[in-house]
Amino acid sequence: QVQLQESGPGLVKPSQTLSLTCTVSGGSISSGGYYWTWIRQHPGKGLEWIGYIYYSGSTYYNPSLESRLTISVDTSKNQFSLKLSSVTAADTAVYYCARQYCGGGRCNPFDFWGQGTLVTVSS
Amino acid sequence: DIQMTQSPSSLSASVGDRVNITCRASQGISNYLAWYQQKPGKVPKLLIYGASTLQSGVPSRFSGSGSGTDFTLTISSLQPEDVGSYYCQSYNSAPRTFGQGTKLEIK
Repeated sequence: QVQLQESGPGLVKPSQTLSLTCTVSGGSISSGGYYWTWIRQHPGKGLEWIGYIYYSGSTYYNPSLESRLTISVDTSKNQFSLKLSSVTAADTAVYYCARQYCGGGRCNPFDFWGQGTLVTVSS
Repeated sequence: DIQMTQSPSSLSASVGDRVNITCRASQGISNYLAWYQQKPGKVPKLLIYGASTLQSGVPSRFSGSGSGTDFTLTISSLQPEDVGSYYCQSYNSAPRTFGQGTKLEIK
């Protein structure tokens, strides 16, 4: 059974960079076809798709965050990471990592999610 | 980018009621539409994918329909444990957009 676990600071100061890591267990992040994804949820609000990375390093970012966002992968550690720069209080949210399979030109919905981690942006 | 619009944004219904939540895509997405249920403090749970395929273990009172741009999630007989928020998602095109959610309460 694949498991994903987010980790990182729960408190980040405004203007700094938010950094989170998702550790994958029970499966290899280098398995073909899987897109490793970040999603966030502002307190009391809906779900916002942030972006994904493939094990090869190719990425797709939400255009609304693209200028501040970097998603990277470390296959040796079976981890992928998110960095969001110049954060403000509007970036306070629960951040989830998730897995999605795509193959043959079609994708499946997210099948495994992390438990989520709350990141608060405050001085 | 595809926009997903859900309605209503909130809904209050009685136990046993039939409940419908709709989701409209700004452009055709074939049947690449998923519905998730989220309870407070919990991870979203996949209910339906492919617009109408019930995820394993999900009660049969949940069903989905639609294709192209218009989709519906139906709960045939509302139960107390169905309280929570429901989200649709287009999952085949990037960005993988979610609807804004529907908060379902028991009257």
